[in-house]
Amino acid sequence: EIVLTQSPGTLSLSPGERATLSCRASQSVSSSYLAWYQQKPGQAPRLLIYGASSRATGIPDRFSGSGSGTDFTLTISRLEPEDFAVYYCQQYGSSGGFTFGPGTKVDIK
Amino acid sequence: QVQLVQSGAEVKKPGASVKVSCKASGYTFTSYDINWVRQATGQGLEWMGWMNPNSGNTGYAQKFQGRVTMTRNTSISTAYMELSSLRSEDTAVYYCARGLRDIVVVVAEYYYYYYMDVWGKGTTVTVSS
Repeated sequence: EIVLTQSPGTLSLSPGERATLSCRASQSVSSSYLAWYQQKPGQAPRLLIYGASSRATGIPDRFSGSGSGTDFTLTISRLEPEDFAVYYCQQYGSSGGFTFGPGTKVDIK
Repeated sequence: QVQLVQSGAEVKKPGASVKVSCKASGYTFTSYDINWVRQATGQGLEWMGWMNPNSGNTGYAQKFQGRVTMTRNTSISTAYMELSSLRSEDTAVYYCARGLRDIVVVVAEYYYYYYMDVWGKGTTVTVSS
């Protein structure tokens, strides 16, 4: 089973700053099966990025995804107040199931 | 609009079963998978399994094999997740999420996508004696 590791665990930044979140897989992952989600307290997760780099419908262009193989990155170019949340990467594996990373919390510095 | 509406909170005793429903609207129910994901308080997301509402085919995470059953009633566009032999560790918020499978062809190369694009608001299940 592929294990996803996210770093850092917590990222403390100010509005307007750039956020770079990392997701590393224990073995190579198909880019098309790598997604990122945002979750705010008390809410369901929201799809941000699919296929490693494609933004979901309605997602602002300050969010971007990149990477391949075992290393993937979610970048938020300029943090807005509403972007402070927990971010999860997810992969769909050859065994026919999903795994999530443990999450990165982006909080206000 | 596309939405998934889940059933209300449940409180169960250890050893009991719980059945959570997820009613789809705004799209053709049988055209997309339904996945179930749970989240214990303060913890991360844990995938439980998927179901194809058209065929009824399912796939479960190994951790839940033998304890989880995913079914559907296509006449009312509703999916169900039943978890049996409940224990305190099953206390969590349970989400249903639409699974979107897509194939994109670029210069004769096929790219397969699968992700969860629409989520229900969650159902809190509390297991306590």
